[in-house]
Amino acid sequence: DTEVTQTPKHLVMGMTNKKSLKCEQHMGHRAMYWYKQKAKKPPELMFVYSYEKLSINESVPSRFSPECPNSSLLNLHLHALQPEDSALYLCASSQETVFGGTEAFFGQGTRLTVV
Amino acid sequence: AQTVTQSQPEMSVQEAETVTLSCTYDTSESDYYLFWYKQPPSRQMILVIRQEAYKQQNATENRFSVNFQKAAKSFSLKISDSQLGDAAMYFCAPSGSARQLTFGSGTQLTVLP
Repeated sequence: DTEVTQTPKHLVMGMTNKKSLKCEQHMGHRAMYWYKQKAKKPPELMFVYSYEKLSINESVPSRFSPECPNSSLLNLHLHALQPEDSALYLCASSQETVFGGTEAFFGQGTRLTVV
Repeated sequence: AQTVTQSQPEMSVQEAETVTLSCTYDTSESDYYLFWYKQPPSRQMILVIRQEAYKQQNATENRFSVNFQKAAKSFSLKISDSQLGDAAMYFCAPSGSARQLTFGSGTQLTVLP
């Protein structure tokens, strides 16, 4: 199983809503990532978890709150988002962090629209 | 910090022909890896090929190969015998001690039948 599963695939939320994005992998990977991707742009790193601990936070606004409940799951909690936060949110995982040259496996993303 | 430049926003190639996508990068690190990922319309990023910077030999994966010029900080991707399924956005991505991938702006590849 080399899959990273993200749910939901599509999400529409209002600016006052609270929602969560979920990411799951069963490859035994110990590094997990959240990326944000706007249309026709490259993915931008948001967070890196290594061994269930947050190791990188790329100055992401606090309305995005990551959580890694266990080694297989990664959540991204959303609250009070702005329309400019509408994007494709990609989750990825790798055996170790990519410094070691290991392949990062990506999910198909959640297409988020904030209205 | 690493920077990545993909100077070709769009490229097209006839089916069965060869195409080369260019990538240049800048890094102060001596040990790093370089990756090419593709993102088809399905949105999922898929690893195409990887290169270890300390290896002089260019990586090859079936129809995909790289031309890695470390001194010039150049990492181009060659796709031979192009197929319709190769149509995608291609991203060059170095990684280093920052333990993260830094993606270039991407090259949209169209394969013409």
